[in-house]
Amino acid sequence: DTAVSQTPKYLVTQMGNDKSIKCEQNLGHDTMYWYKQDSKKFLKIMFSYNNKELIINETVPNRFSPKSPDKAHLNLHINSLELGDSAVYFCASSQDRDTQPEQFFGPGTRLTVL
Amino acid sequence: AQSVTQLGSHVSVSEGALVLLRCNYSSSVPPYLFWYVQYPNQGLQLLLKYTSAATLVKGINGFEAEFKKSETSFHLTKPSAHMSDAAEYFCAVTTQPSKIIFGSGTRLSIRP
Repeated sequence: DTAVSQTPKYLVTQMGNDKSIKCEQNLGHDTMYWYKQDSKKFLKIMFSYNNKELIINETVPNRFSPKSPDKAHLNLHINSLELGDSAVYFCASSQDRDTQPEQFFGPGTRLTVL
Repeated sequence: AQSVTQLGSHVSVSEGALVLLRCNYSSSVPPYLFWYVQYPNQGLQLLLKYTSAATLVKGINGFEAEFKKSETSFHLTKPSAHMSDAAEYFCAVTTQPSKIIFGSGTRLSIRP
């Protein structure tokens, strides 16, 4: 019973292509996130959605577009991929209560742009 | 504004030795604090969290951390390191659950 799942786990593509990463959580959480982890392991938040509404958008290029069809899913679509987009992308979710502020992470999607 | 600093990007200890990973935070209001672990090619897993209850927090795999307000620290310790503890460890802080700030990570290596 995977709590936060992502597909695909690996994604190799050419510059200029468009690709999507899917995320699903079965924890009943209200908030979902996308993070980017670079080669030095630095984690940077990209987006956050609460009940399908965007609440955080951290200076991410317009080529990145999140979509939340329902509160259990948050997908990430990337247009016109660039070499610098190569990274590991993590989806996460949380309940946003004072007693449960922690986020639960998916296994990650390693994106390689050639 | 809040921030978190992890001292030491790489820590190496012998198997059986004490593990100490350092984390200092900055926050204008009482924070929530976390330690996460990331094993190779995996996502982040919560080790433990501080949410203004007990200042000494016990987590999984024998790890614990102590919240020290006077030192603005939340260092992670384990009395005896195992080979399986080799991983990347992240300290994180938040004052609102929807926005967690992560430290830059500390890679823990264990020598046989």
